[in-house]
This record gives sequence, C-alpha cells and structure tokens, in this order.
Amino acid sequence: EADIYQTPRYLVIGTGKKITLECSQTMGHDKMYWYQQDPGMELHLIHYSYGVNSTEKGDLSSESTVSRIRTEHFPLTLESARPSHTSQYLCASSEMGTQYFGPGTRLLVL
Amino acid sequence: AQSVSQHNHHVILSEAASLELGCNYSYGGTVNLFWYVQYPGQHLQLLLKYFSGDPLVKGIKGFEAEFIKSKFSFNLRKPSVQWSDTAEYFCAVKAPLNDYKLSFGAGTTVTVRA
Repeated sequence: EADIYQTPRYLVIGTGKKITLECSQTMGHDKMYWYQQDPGMELHLIHYSYGVNSTEKGDLSSESTVSRIRTEHFPLTLESARPSHTSQYLCASSEMGTQYFGPGTRLLVL
Repeated sequence: AQSVSQHNHHVILSEAASLELGCNYSYGGTVNLFWYVQYPGQHLQLLLKYFSGDPLVKGIKGFEAEFIKSKFSFNLRKPSVQWSDTAEYFCAVKAPLNDYKLSFGAGTTVTVRA
C-alpha cells in the first residue's frame, strides 16, 4: 500500500486566486496522476507523469498545470481559480499497474 | 475508448444481506480490472484486482469479484454485509498496454442499515 499525502484537505477561496494543491508519495513510484471527482460521477484523469520532468494532460480538459521536479512530489496549480473549478481533486501513484490514491483535496471556489 | 458501466447508482440493504454490484466494460482486448472502495470521509482504497489467472478474485474484508470475459463483466459480491460496508464502490478498467489509462465507472453508493 502506498503512502500518498495531499494538502490541503479542504480549501475555500475566492475567484481569481492562484492555488497549488500538494501531493507527495513516499514509495518512490515513478508514475503519478491527478483526477477530478464530482459527486455521482466517474473519476476523470486530468494530468499524469511517468517520472521526473515528464508531464502529460489527461482525458479531461483542465486549466490546471502540474510539475514533476522530484519523484515524490507532483503539485497541481490553478493560476486563476473560478467557480467551475469547484470539485474534489485526487492524487494517485502507481506500481505494477495498480494505482493508489491520496485522501483528496475538496476545493470550493466562491 | 473504454467505458465502464455500473448498473446501480444507490443500493440500500440490511445487515447480513448479500450484496452484488454489477460492472460492465466496453473494451474488447485484454484488460486489468479493479474495484475500489471509498468509505465516508476516507480515501479510495483498493478492494481487489484481476490481472490474469483464476477469474474469481478474493479481496479484503470478505469481498470477491468474478471476471466473465464473454460478458465483459466484473461483478463484486459479498455474502453477508455489515454496517461498516457502507461506502461508495468504484469499478475501474485498464488496458495493460495503456499504462496510464484507468477508466472508472460512476460508482455505486451502498448503504447498509443496522
């Protein structure tokens, strides 16, 4: 089981603010992912990384950006938050084809 | 593109009842299959997975799932549920050569009444 940490767990901010959602894992997994989850809906992949300096966009279009400077760290940034960004954001890492998830960040943009 | 269908949006049952949650997928090739569970206020946890071999897979907490290739299905079962099984359950599918792509169903909320 992977140890994946996300901060903050909950965030309420105003429109136009820049925010960074943090994700760290301690298992040395090369592959990491960001998903967006809304109630009653499937998880949608918004970003993924195969390793340091590797980032790709997922299936769901997102105005967020990610970076992967260190193996254990995969932060997600929104330059200018909008109410449409209100959602839960889940970070995951994988090993041998199995993905392990962090606790998520619930974001509310007013 | 793969799609994953979970038949029930919300299931309500009493303790000791049997549970079966349906999951069907559309991908025609070899797949890896997963069930994840999300207890209230907690993160998604892996319940069980199927990569190859015996199509009847046993997971944690007394859950099992059966892969039926001809039906493109991977249904989750538990013979006797407990109140603590109240959670949301997600089926997920991955094509092995597609290393990043994990397709999720919309989830089934299970409420177990004491």
